[in-house]
Amino acid sequence: GDSVTQMEGPVTLSEEAFLTINCTYTATGYPSLFWYVQYPGEGLQLLLKATKADDKGSNKGFEATYRKETTSFHLEKGSVQVSDSAVYFCALDYTNYQLIWGAGTKLIIKP
Amino acid sequence: DTAVSQTPKYLVTQMGNDKSIKCEQNLGHDTMYWYKQDSKKFLKIMFSYNNKELIINETVPNRFSPKSPDKAHLNLHINSLELGDSAVYFCASSQDRDPGELFFGEGSRLTVL
Repeated sequence: GDSVTQMEGPVTLSEEAFLTINCTYTATGYPSLFWYVQYPGEGLQLLLKATKADDKGSNKGFEATYRKETTSFHLEKGSVQVSDSAVYFCALDYTNYQLIWGAGTKLIIKP
Repeated sequence: DTAVSQTPKYLVTQMGNDKSIKCEQNLGHDTMYWYKQDSKKFLKIMFSYNNKELIINETVPNRFSPKSPDKAHLNLHINSLELGDSAVYFCASSQDRDPGELFFGEGSRLTVL
């Protein structure tokens, strides 16, 4: 069945480092792909999305490109800040009302 | 105004008790959800209602009962609480034209002693 696999965390980086969080998926169709972010003590919020192959989603300096050939949707940011410390979730839409979620990757940014 | 609000934010209770969590959204969305997040941050969908109709009912003990009095509200009642019910419960909503874009509440942390 459909699934999402994310790199295990925690990922620990220094401020201003380059970030990549890997996400790969398996799907029978052509799902939309999402990155959500959960800051400490808060609910999840949508960070970015892509709805078809080769689309690039971007927001707040984060980017991810929908790669059909490698079934990937890796999250990147050129220069991270302490305020980016959070848990990041990759997801795909399985049906109209159900997302398949990755396990989440905790990101820790040290000053 | 908070878009998706849940109450209470914290619940601490004894095994065997019953508790309820309330959720309200003021976004005009048609669909509302309950998710459970465990201590490892793993997310599991429990229920979803679209215009007050139950559309997702995952394998959840029947001690959990959702109720949607109108499309802006979705409540969760839990009977006979067990230790394993300790988790953070999130309410979320979405609109039909963008069902993958969920708006989450801040969560309700349930601790069962």
